[in-house]
Amino acid sequence: SQKIEQNSEALNIQEGKTATLTCNYTNYSPAYLQWYRQDPGRGPVFLLLIRENEKEKRKERLKVTFDTTLKQSLFHITASQPADSATYLCALDGPSNTGKLIFGQGTTLQVKP
Amino acid sequence: EPEVTQTPSHQVTQMGQEVILRCVPISNHLYFYWYRQILGQKVEFLVSFYNNEISEKSEIFDDQFSVERPDGSNFTLKIRSTKLEDSAMYFCASSVDYEQYFGPGTRLTVT
Repeated sequence: SQKIEQNSEALNIQEGKTATLTCNYTNYSPAYLQWYRQDPGRGPVFLLLIRENEKEKRKERLKVTFDTTLKQSLFHITASQPADSATYLCALDGPSNTGKLIFGQGTTLQVKP
Repeated sequence: EPEVTQTPSHQVTQMGQEVILRCVPISNHLYFYWYRQILGQKVEFLVSFYNNEISEKSEIFDDQFSVERPDGSNFTLKIRSTKLEDSAMYFCASSVDYEQYFGPGTRLTVT
């Protein structure tokens, strides 16, 4: 079955630095990969989607890369701010094309002033 | 900006009781989902719903679970006989394309 690993549970960085989060997957070739933000006690909030034929996607201070050979996505937040502190979830589409998302366990980012 | 809403925000129920969790998806969305998240664990897919029928359901979504879209706006998840292990946050989501919009969740506590 599909497996997703976000390689660190927690990441602490200083304000202004770039945060880089990693998502690795196995046993599957997704058509697209998504990144969501989740704050404590809240629902996930969609950030970015990248398709299998795209190498990179940007939105404001966010950048996502997708390497289908390595089966890996990197999520970057540049010029990080304390307000970026949250848990970031990687999600793949399931193989049956019904919209089912398979989530990673998340990486909790703490940006210190 | 339109958003997905869910009620109640918190539901406490006794084991064996039926609960109905309610969701109002974004109005022009066509695809609807339920996910759950046990405290400290991953967000897990339960069911997807399109064109008034279930598209896919997970192993968690057994005979105790059902979904319904009783009118043009509401989307409900029913658990017929709750178990202790059903305690979790339940999120409704909707989409018109691939990106999904999640509601704030219902925290279900089964005692």
